[in-house]
Order: sequence, then structure tokens, then C-alpha cells
Amino acid sequence: DVKVTQSSRYLVKRTGEKVFLECVQDMDHENMFWYRQDPGLGLRLIYFSYDVKMKEKGDIPEGYSVSREKKERFSLILESASTNQTSMYLCASTYDWGPNQPQHFGDGTRLSIL
Amino acid sequence: AQTVTQSQPEMSVQEAETVTLSCTYDTSESDYYLFWYKQPPSRQMILVIRQEAYKQQNATENRFSVNFQKAAKSFSLKISDSQLGDAAMYFCAYIGDTNAGKSTFGDGTTLTVKP
Repeated sequence: DVKVTQSSRYLVKRTGEKVFLECVQDMDHENMFWYRQDPGLGLRLIYFSYDVKMKEKGDIPEGYSVSREKKERFSLILESASTNQTSMYLCASTYDWGPNQPQHFGDGTRLSIL
Repeated sequence: AQTVTQSQPEMSVQEAETVTLSCTYDTSESDYYLFWYKQPPSRQMILVIRQEAYKQQNATENRFSVNFQKAAKSFSLKISDSQLGDAAMYFCAYIGDTNAGKSTFGDGTTLTVKP
């Protein structure tokens, strides 16, 4: 089974801090994704990566950046955290770009910015 | 752009009974896949079932089945013999042939199962 591991289940940070959310997958998947999940808004794509050192903006990239130095690891960075970034963050991966590929999700990180 | 709409924010069902969750989508693509995912409280989101647009036969996975109406752009999920463990948020998702693997998700439906 694919294992997608997010480094923290719960995280509390302060406004203005630089925040790192880490995600690791163990199945050699090509593509990795970061979403935020808010009540009534579903999942919104922040950034995705289709290869090492490659990244593309999703629907809501403002205030975020990402890093993929190794195939298995995809990091989400909040450059200067703000209270409106309090949310649940989900990492996901897929084997390749085929439309039949389901997403494999991590457990999520519930981030609170105070 | 593709959109996915789940019109039922919340649904409830009695244990052992059947419930149907609705999903509609909008697309101009001819080939695509549709998915239902389940997110139990405080647990990982997992795939429930998927359907290819070119397949006329509705997908089935044990107690879970879909009613795929391509012309109506409707993709509902039927859960038979509901169990307490089915309580979760359910998301409908779309991936098109030209989407480069990116999913478009609905807003989710929270399903409560009453004992």
C-alpha cells in the first residue's frame, strides 16, 4: 500500500513565522500535491509537482511556496504565516499523470496560526 | 474549467438502510474519470470507487455503487446496508484527459449513520 506521511497532525504557530509542512511518500510516485481543506470549500489545490525540482501553481498559491529536492519529499512553506492560513492541509501523491490515477492522501496537518 | 457540485452538505441514514449521495459536474472533455473519496473523522481520505466516462457499466465495489449518467453529467454514490463505519465526509472528484492528473473536487457531503 502507498504510504503518504505528513510530519505533523497538529501544529500551532504565530503570525509572521515561517512554517514548514513536510510530506513523504514511499511508492516512487511521480506527482505530489498540496491542498488546503476548509469547511464548505472542499479541497483547493495550492501547488503541485510532477518531478524533482519542478513545481506548478494551483488555484490558491498566494502566500505559499514549495520545495521538492527529492522525489519522495514535498514541502509546503508558509513564508510569513497569517491567521487566514489557519486550515487543514492535505498532501497527496499519484503514480503518474494518467487520468485514471487516484490520489493517495496523508493524514493531514491541522495548522493554527495565532 | 471543470466544476464539481455536491448539492447535499449533509445527509443521514439509518444503519442497514440505503443512501444516495449526489454529484454533478460540468466539462467539455470527452474522456475523463470520476471518483468518490471517503474521509472518516480525523482519518485519512481514501478512494471508494472510480468510473471511466467511456464505460457504460456502472462501477461497483461491494456495498458501494455509482449511478453514472453521462448525458446528464451526474455521478451519484449509493451505499447499501449502511454501517456505522460509513460515517464520513464524502468527496466527488473529476480528472479530465487534459487535466494533467489534477483533480477537481466537490465541496463534500457529510454522512451521518444512525444506529
